[in-house]
Amino acid sequence: TAGITQAPTSQILAAGRSMTLRCTQDMRHNAMYWYRQDLGLGLRLIHYSNTAGTTGKGEVPDGYSVSRANTDDFPLTLASAVPSQTSVYFCASSDSGPQEAFFGQGTRLTVV
Amino acid sequence: QKEVEQNSGPLSVPEGAIASLNCTYSDRVSQSFFWYRQYSGKSPELIMSIYSNGDKEDGRFTAQLNKASQYVSLLIRDSQPSDSATYLCAVTPWDGGYNKLIFGAGTRLAVHP
Repeated sequence: TAGITQAPTSQILAAGRSMTLRCTQDMRHNAMYWYRQDLGLGLRLIHYSNTAGTTGKGEVPDGYSVSRANTDDFPLTLASAVPSQTSVYFCASSDSGPQEAFFGQGTRLTVV
Repeated sequence: QKEVEQNSGPLSVPEGAIASLNCTYSDRVSQSFFWYRQYSGKSPELIMSIYSNGDKEDGRFTAQLNKASQYVSLLIRDSQPSDSATYLCAVTPWDGGYNKLIFGAGTRLAVHP
């Protein structure tokens, strides 16, 4: 079973460029999340969505946007990347609640 | 104040000992509590969830929740070197609904033979 898939697995991006990190789940989960993970800071919530058509801001939303056009997909867009957005990005999904969250394999993004 | 606080460690325990990992949270009305394990370079994976006060046991793992003290812990009995990982505490704070899943920074556990 695929579960939750992120793409790309890694990327080097020039500062000022835009990029969309993709996340797709096949578990029909209502809730989806985007986190960034930086050394010593743990997982920090960027944006979340509790159901298709709705999104909310997390702990560190600035510089990022999301959309939730359907249940399966939850893309994260960086409109104009800055070096401080260098991080490992994890997408996760869970049934309503939230219940147990399942994570994708992560995307390692380096902004230079 | 961070919503979820954990000691970053590392917590070093000998093989076969009990490892005790602690977590405090700021939102008194948080509803759901989780412990995730993350090996280096890998994604987090759920090992325990707890929703009511008291203890919950699953194999070598016991989660303990005290909502009055806003405290949740994870005990790992008979620790093994394969338990060496970062353990992340997560809670669902109230924001008009229990919509978010907020993590602590994690505690790194090292089990030595």
